[in-house]
Amino acid sequence: KAGVTQTPRYLIKTRGQQVTLSCSPISGHRSVSWYQQTPGQGLQFLFEYFSETQRNKGNFPGRFSGRQFSNSRSEMNVSTLELGDSALYLCASSISQGSEETQYFGPGTRLLVL
Amino acid sequence: AQSVTQLGSHVSVSEGALVLLRCNYSSSVPPYLFWYVQYPNQGLQLLLKYTSAATLVKGINGFEAEFKKSETSFHLTKPSAHMSDAAEYFCAVTISGNTPLVFGKGTRLSVIA
Repeated sequence: KAGVTQTPRYLIKTRGQQVTLSCSPISGHRSVSWYQQTPGQGLQFLFEYFSETQRNKGNFPGRFSGRQFSNSRSEMNVSTLELGDSALYLCASSISQGSEETQYFGPGTRLLVL
Repeated sequence: AQSVTQLGSHVSVSEGALVLLRCNYSSSVPPYLFWYVQYPNQGLQLLLKYTSAATLVKGINGFEAEFKKSETSFHLTKPSAHMSDAAEYFCAVTISGNTPLVFGKGTRLSVIA
């Protein structure tokens, strides 16, 4: 079974631009979560989607948004990019929305904002 | 709210030596606990998880962890380190009710030949 895939793997943007990242979960998985990983802040939860509905949201500004499609694929969007948005963005999928469910992570998208 | 503290941002061991990575959690209700490993330029891979079935949990690659409620700890161990174990290790906690994972800051493990 294919794992979680994320595209693109690398991105370079400039301040003020917007970016869209994509995540395809493992087949059959309906929950998708997004995390931001930086050297200073570590791994921080962005949001989680289940059956096209946002179930949880972390403490990030409204510039960060996401959505989930009927096939469980998810996208996250960051508008008006800032230098501090440079990070590794990780997507994780799980079968259902239970907290005890294992989350399987993709390889991440590394975003560099110049 | 839950929190995780990983003691030691960097641990260095000799090949063949015991690996001990420390994780302490804070949770007002019974937690679910996870250890993930991250190799350079890769995502996170699950090593093992505790979901209240047994306090000693065995994972992949020879790793295991013991849940100690009285110490609020979930330390990760491996009897004999291998060069391929060099990576960053993350402890994470969540609770029931569809709550997100809360990660520790991570511990980078170096293995010396």
